[in-house]
Amino acid sequence: KQEVTQIPAALSVPEGENLVLNCSFTDSAIYNLQWFRQDPGKGLTSLLLIQSSQREQTSGRLNASLDKSSGRSTLYIAASQPGDSATYLCAVRGKLIFGQGTELSVKP
Amino acid sequence: GAGVSQTPSNKVTEKGKYVELRCDPISGHTALYWYRQSLGQGPEFLIYFQGTGAADDSGLPNDRFFAVRPEGSVSTLKIQRTERGDSAVYLCASSLTGRGNEQFFGPGTRLTVL
Repeated sequence: KQEVTQIPAALSVPEGENLVLNCSFTDSAIYNLQWFRQDPGKGLTSLLLIQSSQREQTSGRLNASLDKSSGRSTLYIAASQPGDSATYLCAVRGKLIFGQGTELSVKP
Repeated sequence: GAGVSQTPSNKVTEKGKYVELRCDPISGHTALYWYRQSLGQGPEFLIYFQGTGAADDSGLPNDRFFAVRPEGSVSTLKIQRTERGDSAVYLCASSLTGRGNEQFFGPGTRLTVL
């Protein structure tokens, strides 16, 4: 059974720092991996989608990597801003199995 | 263009009542998914439609839960004899075709069972 784990559960950083969020999964047979952000009381906003054949995807200040063999993905956020404060979720496969999320707080 | 929409945004009901939650996917998306999210948790998969048919309903917790998508577009999640444990945010997502595609989520329906 696929399990997805995100570490840390919560993270607080000062504005301007670069940071890394971690996601691990137990079954490497995945279609793809998707990173989302969720603001309080809101739905999920897709950030990046990495297909199983890809190693990384970039969008603006965000970079996501995928290492299927080790069952890991990282989301790198450069030059963090207060507007980045949200919960970040990773999810794998097709019907999407989610981790519990990392709650990020960026303090001005 | 319009994203995924869900109605109502909030639903409060009493234990034992029947509720229907609606999802309007992005136009042209053939795949539709329902998830449930409890406080402080990631979303959990409920059911996946490809067109009009339920391709995977393995996430439905019991037979009180049922979903339909009769014309391959709008979907309705139906919950009979609601219980307090059904309280959660119900999220809908759609993707262009199958499971390999990026999923786009609606804002969710917050269900509260008193």
